Amino acid sequence: EAQVTQNPRYLITVTGKKLTVTCSQNMNHEYMSWYRQDPGLGLRQIYYSMNVEVTDKGDVPEGYKVSRKEKRNFPLILESPSPNQTSLYFCASSRTSGTGGVRRSNEQFFGPGTRLTVL
Amino acid sequence: GENVEQHPSTLSVQEGDSAVIKCTYSDSASNYFPWYKQELGKRPQLIIDIRSNVGEKKDQRIAVTLNKTAKHFSLHITETQPEDSAVYFCAPIPVSGGYNKLIFGAGTRLAVHP
Repeated sequence: EAQVTQNPRYLITVTGKKLTVTCSQNMNHEYMSWYRQDPGLGLRQIYYSMNVEVTDKGDVPEGYKVSRKEKRNFPLILESPSPNQTSLYFCASSRTSGTGGVRRSNEQFFGPGTRLTVL
Repeated sequence: GENVEQHPSTLSVQEGDSAVIKCTYSDSASNYFPWYKQELGKRPQLIIDIRSNVGEKKDQRIAVTLNKTAKHFSLHITETQPEDSAVYFCAPIPVSGGYNKLIFGAGTRLAVHP
């Protein structure tokens, strides 16, 4: 079954304790991305990756790190979590398309979400 | 970068009525226009999309229309049903050399009352 998986689904932690949220997809998608969702603010992109070893900042990258060492995995790292990072996090993947060296993403396939609480 | 605005932010209709949600974007190079539906406690999922070479696309009770000149596209839901109650997001995708950051609209909460 084609899917995006995230772990853990729920996490309660304390300020400053490093954590990693894993994301994996089995659709051979080039594009992967992390979003946070907060009430009234919709989905805001944290980081995205166009392919292995290619990552770039989204709209709200401060306080987060990512890596893309393998095509299927795109972990989100919070080196020193703070209470303002309490949120619902979604990982997503997408195939890319385009010509002439200009690639773009397409339909986003979302993971089930990770609810993070930082005390 | 892309600036995306979605209106209205909330919409309440009676079952059977129609609902229209509008998404305005700023990047004239955008050429892919999706709408996502997020039910309570679930992940967002694509419900319909349109590409820039098409003006309208229909799928049963839902349709999307695109006005590239005015830089907006709209989601139309006819004969609404309670299961249409959800939050809807737009996320136009630009094609500007190397720019692949995605901006989602802030969402429209649709409530369909029986």
